[in-house]
Amino acid sequence: DARVTQTPRHKVTEMGQEVTMRCQPILGHNTVFWYRQTMMQGLELLAYFRNRAPLDDSGMPKDRFSAEMPDATLATLKIQPSEPRDSAVYFCASGLVPANTGELFFGEGSRLTVL
Amino acid sequence: AQSVTQPDIHITVSEGASLELRCNYSYGATPYLFWYVQSPGQGLQLLLKYFSGDTLVQGIKGFEAEFKRSQSSFNLRKPSVHWSDAAEYFCAVVISGTYKYIFGTGTRLKVLA
Repeated sequence: DARVTQTPRHKVTEMGQEVTMRCQPILGHNTVFWYRQTMMQGLELLAYFRNRAPLDDSGMPKDRFSAEMPDATLATLKIQPSEPRDSAVYFCASGLVPANTGELFFGEGSRLTVL
Repeated sequence: AQSVTQPDIHITVSEGASLELRCNYSYGATPYLFWYVQSPGQGLQLLLKYFSGDTLVQGIKGFEAEFKRSQSSFNLRKPSVHWSDAAEYFCAVVISGTYKYIFGTGTRLKVLA
């Protein structure tokens, strides 16, 4: 059963520490998204990639966030240094476009708490 | 800029009652429109989608949605809600060509027994 895998599922860290979240998209999918979910803002698009190339990272705070796809099976989201306001659930999603389904497949999320 | 608005943050209905969740979008052309559902602690799952053609689309779990171009709306409906439908529901618009997905802020549904 193909699915998007995210690690870690939960992370508690102290302010100032580096945090790296990883995502394994579904094999064969060419588009990967990173979203951040908070009660106040809902689902915010941070960045997305097509065929490993970044297409849009305008939703991401550039000074502390970075997103990469070292290869087709791995996407990473890094925060350095982390701050309490970064506490949220971070979702990775993948899809195959263009495609007639248009569906995004979501991972279960990485819950980050920055103390 | 493209945007999606879900005016209702919370909705409470009794089990067996009908349901309508509102979604309005802002986009110059006809977008691709989606509804996703999120159960607690889970990622989002696709309920249904609209690309073109028939403006009334059927999805999983007995849900349907109607695209109304004149109102820029894509409201989600279900004739009879089940307790297991309690979840958060997200409307999304996809910008054609870029496949950039923009989500609304979500509507949290509570179902009373």
